[in-house]
Amino acid sequence: AQKITQTQPGMFVQEKEAVTLDCTYDTSDPSYGLFWYKQPSSGEMIFLIYQGSYDQQNATEGRYSLNFQKARKSANLVISASQLGDSAMYFCAMRRDGGFKTIFGAGTRLFVKA
Amino acid sequence: DTEVTQTPKHLVMGMTNKKSLKCEQHMGHRAMYWYKQKAKKPPELMFVYSYEKLSINESVPSRFSPECPNSSLLNLHLHALQPEDSALYLCASSQVVGPASGGSYNEQFFGPGTRLTVL
Repeated sequence: AQKITQTQPGMFVQEKEAVTLDCTYDTSDPSYGLFWYKQPSSGEMIFLIYQGSYDQQNATEGRYSLNFQKARKSANLVISASQLGDSAMYFCAMRRDGGFKTIFGAGTRLFVKA
Repeated sequence: DTEVTQTPKHLVMGMTNKKSLKCEQHMGHRAMYWYKQKAKKPPELMFVYSYEKLSINESVPSRFSPECPNSSLLNLHLHALQPEDSALYLCASSQVVGPASGGSYNEQFFGPGTRLTVL
């Protein structure tokens, strides 16, 4: 069975500083993808970044990077130079390659302080 | 066009009403999804359509009835709902890729959601 664990219900970060949101996962699938989504209070789920299980390099997308440690089954999201607009709920998610079902973690609420 | 649209944005209905949620995308995606999200919880998958055929039903009560009339539209028909069905209903779409996708992935694009309140 697949499982995603996010152990930080809430996080605070000062504007312009970096923050790491933790995510660990468990799966028996040999090939899978890991995703991070941002959900502002408006409700829309915004795709941020993707990491494939066979990717050798960590994914990066602008200010977002994914610290992927396959042996430890962790896929932490790093946000550099935090902005006030980064305040939102962040979900880590996983889906086996070719599958339709996405498993989400419980989420981490990020608060960026001015 | 990389947008998934959902109507209405807000819906209030009584337990005896019949209503429908609508979702539309024009990205050529052949997989469409319905999720239910309660406050402060992650989204929960309800249904998946692949090539306009129901592919996954996550044991959803029959008072929720999905419909995929064509490759761009996805409906969710609601009847005799309960107050505990009040939630944010999210629609998503993606390409359909096989297991041996060679590194590509079926990123899901989400709509803004419909906030449903059942009185």
